[in-house]
Amino acid sequence: TQLLEQSPQFLSIQEGENLTVYCNSSSVFSSLQWYRQEPGEGPVLLVTVVTGGEVKKLKRLTFQFGDARKDSSLHITAAQTGDTGLYLCAVGGRDDKIIFGKGTRLHILP
Amino acid sequence: SQTIHQWPATLVQPVGSPLSLECTVEGTSNPNLYWYRQAAGRGLQLLFYSVGIGQISSEVPQNLSASRPQDRQFILSSKKLLLSDSGFYLCAWSDGQFYPTYGYTFGSGTRLTVV
Repeated sequence: TQLLEQSPQFLSIQEGENLTVYCNSSSVFSSLQWYRQEPGEGPVLLVTVVTGGEVKKLKRLTFQFGDARKDSSLHITAAQTGDTGLYLCAVGGRDDKIIFGKGTRLHILP
Repeated sequence: SQTIHQWPATLVQPVGSPLSLECTVEGTSNPNLYWYRQAAGRGLQLLFYSVGIGQISSEVPQNLSASRPQDRQFILSSKKLLLSDSGFYLCAWSDGQFYPTYGYTFGSGTRLTVV
């Protein structure tokens, strides 16, 4: 059983459209992170959320941590081709080990 | 500033051959170090982590081993590679003092193909 379920697995949309991807779990977490990974590269941290209900914005990206700290969403406004990549959510475990979801592969069409 | 170096970037090895992947971190001391493997459609799988020199914890039984001979050096090894060892290997570090705010910093990865 996967601890973190990310949906959708794949998403292909036109440039300029809005989109939301999700990260869900039945467990409660003290923090949750979102990473973006481009082909052939390691993941890069986008944001960490720690408080239930917290909303963080990074330019056109809006991250929300669920009130119960079991889930999170990433909303992208007016998607650009540079947003293409694999979006991974991750949660902390023992000894700072973190566990990743399988990710949402996003493709923005020009 | 902190940097992480991982090499080689790509590697093609025959089945049964040995493996050594190296990762070094600069600009920090006593980092937590991690080896992950990423296979297509299976996400990032934690293989090993280390909180100090000589301290290695294994997450999954497998054909691989890890060592940390110096504070900022982490090595992933195998005596005999299997076809199933193919994948994208990522090294990462974190600072326990500032985690989770700053998360993990990943290297650029090694694409290993066992033939």
